[in-house]
Amino acid sequence: EIVLTQSTGTLSLSPGERATLSCRASQSVSSDYLAWYQQKPGQAPRLLIYGAFTRATGIPDRFSGSGSGTDFTLTISRLEPEDFAVYYCHQYGSSPWTFGQGTKVEIK
Amino acid sequence: QVQLVESGGGLVKPGGSLRLSCAASGFTFSDFHMSWIRQAPGKGLEWLSYISSSGSTIYYADSLKGRFTISRDNAKNSLYLQMNSLRVEDTAIYYCVGRLRYWGQGTLVTVSS
Repeated sequence: EIVLTQSTGTLSLSPGERATLSCRASQSVSSDYLAWYQQKPGQAPRLLIYGAFTRATGIPDRFSGSGSGTDFTLTISRLEPEDFAVYYCHQYGSSPWTFGQGTKVEIK
Repeated sequence: QVQLVESGGGLVKPGGSLRLSCAASGFTFSDFHMSWIRQAPGKGLEWLSYISSSGSTIYYADSLKGRFTISRDNAKNSLYLQMNSLRVEDTAIYYCVGRLRYWGQGTLVTVSS
């Protein structure tokens, strides 16, 4: 099983700042099948990025994904008030699929 | 528009069974691989199972130890999760997910005596 580690539990940032979230895999993620989700309280998660760097439909370009192999990053270039939420990475390249434990981006 | 609506959740005693359903609309269900993902109260996301568009390929999380069974009926645009031998730790919101991007609002399963 591929274990995904999101090393930062909570990021405290101000609106307008840049957010950099990391996700490290215990082994290489097949075909870079790595996704990022955003979840707000009381809501279902929303897909932001798939295939490590492809934005899902309707996702603003301030969200970008990068990385390959075992190290992946989600970057939010300038935080908007609506971006404060929990973010999860997810590998779907090999079974069993797995999620990281999440990173909360909170207002400083 | 794309809609996934889960049903079948509720309160069940430890050792009991439930069958969750997910009704899909607004897209060609038979073209989509589907998954079940759950979230325990205040916790993170846990992937449970995957089924390919035709139903020929199925994967499960190791932690389920054969207690859960995923299935689909493309003629009825529906996805299912049969859950047996339920445990207190199975208490969670269960989400039906299409191709990673389409999520239902979830159905709450509570396992308690």
